Amino acid sequence: GAGVSQSPSNKVTEKGKDVELRCDPISGHTALYWYRQSLGQGLEFLIYFQGNSAPDKSGLPSDRFSAERTGGSVSTLTIQRTQQEDSAVYLCASSLSSGRPDTQYFGPGTRLTVL
Amino acid sequence: AQSVAQPEDQVNVAEGNPLTVKCTYSVSGNPYLFWYVQYPNRGLQFLLKYITGDNLVKGSYGFEAEFNKSQTSFHLKKPSALVSDSALYFCAVRDWGEGNNRLAFGKGNQVVVIP
Repeated sequence: GAGVSQSPSNKVTEKGKDVELRCDPISGHTALYWYRQSLGQGLEFLIYFQGNSAPDKSGLPSDRFSAERTGGSVSTLTIQRTQQEDSAVYLCASSLSSGRPDTQYFGPGTRLTVL
Repeated sequence: AQSVAQPEDQVNVAEGNPLTVKCTYSVSGNPYLFWYVQYPNRGLQFLLKYITGDNLVKGSYGFEAEFNKSQTSFHLKKPSALVSDSALYFCAVRDWGEGNNRLAFGKGNQVVVIP
């Protein structure tokens, strides 16, 4: 079946602009995660959604970052007033649920470059 | 807090030789442990996981890993490496007792299989 998809695959933006990154999880997966992969920081957790529960936002690095998940499916990660340190690969993952140690399956990522 | 250490930056191995990628973890409770592989410009691909039961876990592409509770390790192994195994390998842990669902990743190990 189809895996996790993300768009765009690459995004180049100017400092100060807002960007939106999209994630389409595997059909039937109720849990969705965003991570950031950067050279200096490795893989960092950003935010987690499970069904209709309030998201776990504890990994968001600043209030410029926000995410939403509409209809329990597609998610959008928004970065406002982008800074050069936001340049990274943003990875989305989904899993069947969060109540068990389900495997997280990752999308191909969006490479964000802030000039 | 949960954390993972992958002590080596790069692992070089000749094709046909055994491959080992090391991982140690730290959790306050019991661990769920995962290995992922990342090929250039791709997302993370799931290889295998340890939840409970048999300490030796077999996964995709001939990889296996052994959970050692006393040494808090979860080393990844393959009896005979292929050139196509050259990639970035990530170990990840989730703590049973933490109540969160994020994975904590190691910094990754670059594996180079020499023909």
